[in-house]
Amino acid sequence: EAQVTQNPRYLITVTGKKLTVTCSQNMNHEYMSWYRQDPGLGLRQIYYSMNVEVTDKGDVPEGYKVSRKEKRNFPLILESPSPNQTSLYFCASSLGLAGAGQETQYFGPGTRLLVL
Amino acid sequence: KQEVTQIPAALSVPEGENLVLNCSFTDSAIYNLQWFRQDPGKGLTSLLLIQSSQREQTSGRLNASLDKSSGRSTLYIAASQPGDSATYLCAVTTDSWGKFQFGAGTQVVVTP
Repeated sequence: EAQVTQNPRYLITVTGKKLTVTCSQNMNHEYMSWYRQDPGLGLRQIYYSMNVEVTDKGDVPEGYKVSRKEKRNFPLILESPSPNQTSLYFCASSLGLAGAGQETQYFGPGTRLLVL
Repeated sequence: KQEVTQIPAALSVPEGENLVLNCSFTDSAIYNLQWFRQDPGKGLTSLLLIQSSQREQTSGRLNASLDKSSGRSTLYIAASQPGDSATYLCAVTTDSWGKFQFGAGTQVVVTP
């Protein structure tokens, strides 16, 4: 089954404790992206990746890191989480570059993060 | 900076009525616009994608129009059903690489 998976789905952590949220897709997609969703603010893009080893910042990259060493994986790293990073996080992927063609994005189920 | 607005934030209609959802954006230099559906506790599902050169897209009961010059898109859902209850989000792509701006969404309730 074609899908985007995220792990963990739920996470409670404390301020300053490094964490990684994994994202994997099995569709051989080139493009992958991370978003956070907060009430009243919609989705805001954190980082996106056009291919292996190629990434760029979205609107809210501060406090986050990403890497794209393999085509299928795009982990989101919070080096020193803070309470304002409490949010619902979504990973997404599309076959080609999202702006260049008719590529729709496929979303993962989300990771709910609480930073105390 | 591109801003995407969706009004109203919430909408309730009786079953069978047509739904009209609005999306506006401040910068007309977009590559494409997408409409998504989000069910509670779940990820987003893509409904329609309109290229910047297109005026509309249709899929079943759904029709989305795009007027770049005025910075507007409208999603029409014909003959609404309770299963259409969800939050609908629009998003614009602001560069060729895939930088996205989302609206905050319109929460729709279709009552039987």
